[in-house]
Amino acid sequence: GAVVSQHPSWVICKSGTSVKIECRSLDFQATTMFWYRQFPKQSLMLMATSNEGSKATYEQGVEKDKFLINHASLTLSTLTVTSAHPEDSSFYICSARGGQGGSYEQYFGPGTRLTVT
Amino acid sequence: AQTVTQSQPEMSVQEAETVTLSCTYDTSESDYYLFWYKQPPSRQMILVIRQEAYKQQNATENRFSVNFQKAAKSFSLKISDSQLGDAAMYFCAYLSYNTDKLIFGTGTRLQVFP
Repeated sequence: GAVVSQHPSWVICKSGTSVKIECRSLDFQATTMFWYRQFPKQSLMLMATSNEGSKATYEQGVEKDKFLINHASLTLSTLTVTSAHPEDSSFYICSARGGQGGSYEQYFGPGTRLTVT
Repeated sequence: AQTVTQSQPEMSVQEAETVTLSCTYDTSESDYYLFWYKQPPSRQMILVIRQEAYKQQNATENRFSVNFQKAAKSFSLKISDSQLGDAAMYFCAYLSYNTDKLIFGTGTRLQVFP
């Protein structure tokens, strides 16, 4: 149990376009979802926290107008990178909380590699 | 703000041997959780072991165990009988009760040699 999926697993887009990444909890209801960014050979950095039905809370330095997060249901959160630029190329990972591990444990998706050309 | 430090960028171990990965953290909180995550080349984050700060007993999961020293703010991971499949990046992480945010260390790359 407690499986989180992400789609797509990788995406290439042209500079200036927008791309949407989906994060789904497959077998549990995720009250909270988190979005992380991971640069090559670096650690995970929290970008934002989203609760179902509420506006996302962004970390300092993360542009909310560039990284749009929508947590429309208890099983789906989306991250839209708007007007993407090459510096947005990165590995994006979501996690979801609400599974069997308890109220605090996060379950991670497999990640999405975004390349902006 | 809380910080997590992993001072070993890379470690190596021979198959069947034991290796210990270090992690220290800084916090003024008394209640929190600590985790070790494994990230293999697939980049899927896998929970290895968790420790609640209020528990004095060190957590153990099969070949994985921790040495949790709350006063010293140290949380090391011991991998016994290392296997080739243990090769991965290992991240130490701190979860604050107050902020509800997971803070990761910089990671340790573990190589396992046959």
